[in-house]
Amino acid sequence: QQQVKQSPQSLIVQKGGISIINCAYENTAFDYFPWYQQFPGKGPALLIAIRPDVSEKKEGRFTISFNKSAKQFSLHIMDSQPGDSATFFCAAKHGGSRLTFGEGTQLTVNP
Amino acid sequence: DSGVTQTPKHLITATGQRVTLRCSPRSGDLSVYWYQQSLDQGLQFLIQYYNGEERAKGNILERFSAQQFPDLHSELNLSSLELGDSALYFCASSIGGGVTYEQYFGPGTRLTVT
Repeated sequence: QQQVKQSPQSLIVQKGGISIINCAYENTAFDYFPWYQQFPGKGPALLIAIRPDVSEKKEGRFTISFNKSAKQFSLHIMDSQPGDSATFFCAAKHGGSRLTFGEGTQLTVNP
Repeated sequence: DSGVTQTPKHLITATGQRVTLRCSPRSGDLSVYWYQQSLDQGLQFLIQYYNGEERAKGNILERFSAQQFPDLHSELNLSSLELGDSALYFCASSIGGGVTYEQYFGPGTRLTVT
């Protein structure tokens, strides 16, 4: 059972544009929501994370928006750069601290 | 560099064989997690160890087993390998086993079963 759904599957934006990736979860017990960035041939790298007691968290060009009632959260990448091109995964965890990942979004930022 | 190391980087083996993947967590991290990444299943949690003891189990096949040693490194053993076991296997580590401890991933081991 897929507990975290991620969209879109792929995303192409122009340099300087805004990239938006969305995730929805089912399990209301989830209480920690990280985003990971993965470059080809590398392991996922933690980008930014949020807990459900806040609605937004910003770190540099990356912002997580969280809507607890809708069970949705999203990643916004401002001023997208070609170097941001990678696969992004949303994830969620609770209690036992295993991460449940979304399906991934392949982001391409054109120069 | 996350500080998590995994060996080997690549592994090619035949069906029916057994392999061992090794992971060294970041210095000071007590918890180790194993994940499998494949095109059809995505990133899936396999198993977690905390300070030498199994903490949680996910979608891990009975043919797979793991352990964490006193020096906190971990090994994932895959036996009776099938073509469908071909995937990237990642190890991650965190300071503790709780909810808010960030998990840091290693570079992975790419397993190819022929």
